[in-house]
Amino acid sequence: DAGVIQSPRHEVTEMGQEVTLRCKPISGHDYLFWYRQTMMRGLELLIYFNNNVPIDDSGMPEDRFSAKMPNASFSTLKIQPSEPRDSAVYFCASSLMAPNTEAFFGQGTRLTVV
Amino acid sequence: AQTVTQSQPEMSVQEAETVTLSCTYDTSESDYYLFWYKQPPSRQMILVIRQEAYKQQNATENRFSVNFQKAAKSFSLKISDSQLGDAAMYFCAYRSNNQGGKLIFGQGTELSVKP
Repeated sequence: DAGVIQSPRHEVTEMGQEVTLRCKPISGHDYLFWYRQTMMRGLELLIYFNNNVPIDDSGMPEDRFSAKMPNASFSTLKIQPSEPRDSAVYFCASSLMAPNTEAFFGQGTRLTVV
Repeated sequence: AQTVTQSQPEMSVQEAETVTLSCTYDTSESDYYLFWYKQPPSRQMILVIRQEAYKQQNATENRFSVNFQKAAKSFSLKISDSQLGDAAMYFCAYRSNNQGGKLIFGQGTELSVKP
């Protein structure tokens, strides 16, 4: 398996524009997590899915953020409208059901909103 | 809600020496799992070591070991014989066995290794 695949690797957009980040988890994994990494807050859990169903979205900062998982092999994180404070690295990770198993991370998307 | 705290934003160690990174967590659960991840400049997240809360024995992986104090809710990482390649950001993580496998991280500790 190629691992968790995120696209794009880098995204630069203007304030007010819509941004869509994409993630393909490892085949057969039951969980999918979206994180945001900043220097100040470290790795923040935004939302996670189990078998394509959102379980906890309490980390989503505002209504401008939304996430979907239409099937087991694809998820999106959308920001609309984007703001400069959304600039960060966004990671997607997936794991098997058992909680003692590690989560595998994608390479992240570095988002810059100007 | 569970929280993970890493109180050391930055640490430094001399090559070949030993360094300990601190992590504390807050939870009301009795069954959970703890992890340390390493993030080098490439941004790739790499699992270093894991610990099951029901196990009293501290986990070890080669030069990496943990000091797990369940009552104190402490989970520190010890790196022995530090190498230049150990320089990275280290994240402590908590995974619930109850709340649908929720996985949360601390703020991270930036480790530098001096030659």
